Amino acid sequence: KAGVTQTPRYLIKTRGQQVTLSCSPISGHRSVSWYQQTPGQGLQFLFEYFSETQRNKGNFPGRFSGRQFSNSRSEMNVSTLELGDSALYLCASSPGQMWENTEAFFGQGTRLTVV
Amino acid sequence: AQKITQTQPGMFVQEKEAVTLDCTYDTSDQSYGLFWYKQPSSGEMIFLIYQGSYDEQNATEGRYSLNFQKARKSANLVISASQLGDSAMYFCAMRAWDQGAQKLVFGQGTRLTINP
Repeated sequence: KAGVTQTPRYLIKTRGQQVTLSCSPISGHRSVSWYQQTPGQGLQFLFEYFSETQRNKGNFPGRFSGRQFSNSRSEMNVSTLELGDSALYLCASSPGQMWENTEAFFGQGTRLTVV
Repeated sequence: AQKITQTQPGMFVQEKEAVTLDCTYDTSDQSYGLFWYKQPSSGEMIFLIYQGSYDEQNATEGRYSLNFQKARKSANLVISASQLGDSAMYFCAMRAWDQGAQKLVFGQGTRLTINP
């Protein structure tokens, strides 16, 4: 079966703009989590969506938001981009909510560069 | 706060040798899960193996096994018969409550290089 699909793979945006990233989970999976990976901070949790509801949220400013659709696809939006938002954004797909997961499969990520 | 520590920033191993990647964790939770991921230069995080805190047997998946020592809070990944394609970053992660959210907490990673 198809894996986790993230689009686009690469993005270059200007400071102050906004961006939307997309994640299609594995068929049948209902949970999508988002992570930011940077050389300095490593992998940090952004939020988790399950059944179209945000279930968990990390310590990121309100400029970072997301949503999940009825087909479990998720989007992440970052408004008013800052240089520090440059990172690899990864989404993880799981069958159930985070607390019950024994597996979590990641996509290839979207590499965002803010200039 | 929950924490994962990977003390080996880099490791160099000869092809066909076994390799152990260290991971220690800090949590006050009774129920938690431990994951290992491989990240090649392409960026994708590849799920390797999972161990639950109540699992009595060490998890195994093909050439990967997890050496789980609960009392020592240790969850080392063992790769048997290493291959050139095993060269990548390896991350240990723990599913736990942290700062009000249930999430995966990651270590800083170990860069593994397999030499021919």
